[in-house]
Amino acid sequence: KAGVTQTPRYLIKTRGQQVTLSCSPISGHRSVSWYQQTPGQGLQFLFEYFSETQRNKGNFPGRFSGRQFSNSRSEMNVSTLELGDSALYLCASSSGMAGEQYFGPGTRLTVT
Amino acid sequence: AQSVTQLDSQVPVFEEAPVELRCNYSSSVSVYLFWYVQYPNQGLQLLLKYLSGSTLVKGINGFEAEFNKSQTSFHLRKPSVHISDTAEYFCARLSNTGNQFYFGTGTSLTVIP
Repeated sequence: KAGVTQTPRYLIKTRGQQVTLSCSPISGHRSVSWYQQTPGQGLQFLFEYFSETQRNKGNFPGRFSGRQFSNSRSEMNVSTLELGDSALYLCASSSGMAGEQYFGPGTRLTVT
Repeated sequence: AQSVTQLDSQVPVFEEAPVELRCNYSSSVSVYLFWYVQYPNQGLQLLLKYLSGSTLVKGINGFEAEFNKSQTSFHLRKPSVHISDTAEYFCARLSNTGNQFYFGTGTSLTVIP
């Protein structure tokens, strides 16, 4: 089986712009979670989608949003980018069973 | 709160020496615990996990961890490290709802030749 894929791998944006990141889960997995990793805050949960519905959301401002499509692929969007949004964004794919989560390689977002 | 605490931010160790990376969790009725490794510019790779059963869990690359309920700990160990083990290690627990991880702050392991 192919692993979790994330595109693009690297992205440079300017403050005030918006960005969309994509995550394709492992085939058959219906849950996708997103995490932000920064040196200062570590790994923080953004949100989780299951069968196109957001089931859980972390403590991030409304500028961070996401969605999931019928094929389980997920996108996250960040509007009005700030310098502090520079981070590695990781998505995790899950079958729904405890312990069956797999992470993608991440998208490195740099905001200048 | 469903949290994990990694007690050491940096651990230097000589090649072929043993290593222990410490992780404590906040007590809960049931807990699912994980150790992940992250190499530079890469995502998270699962080393091992504890869901239930035997308290000694063996993972990939010669790592193992012991779930200790009385001490609320889940320390990661390797009897002999290699240069290639140099990486960031994260302890994590799965939420009770099963759809969110709580991560520790990470331990940077540096293996010295």
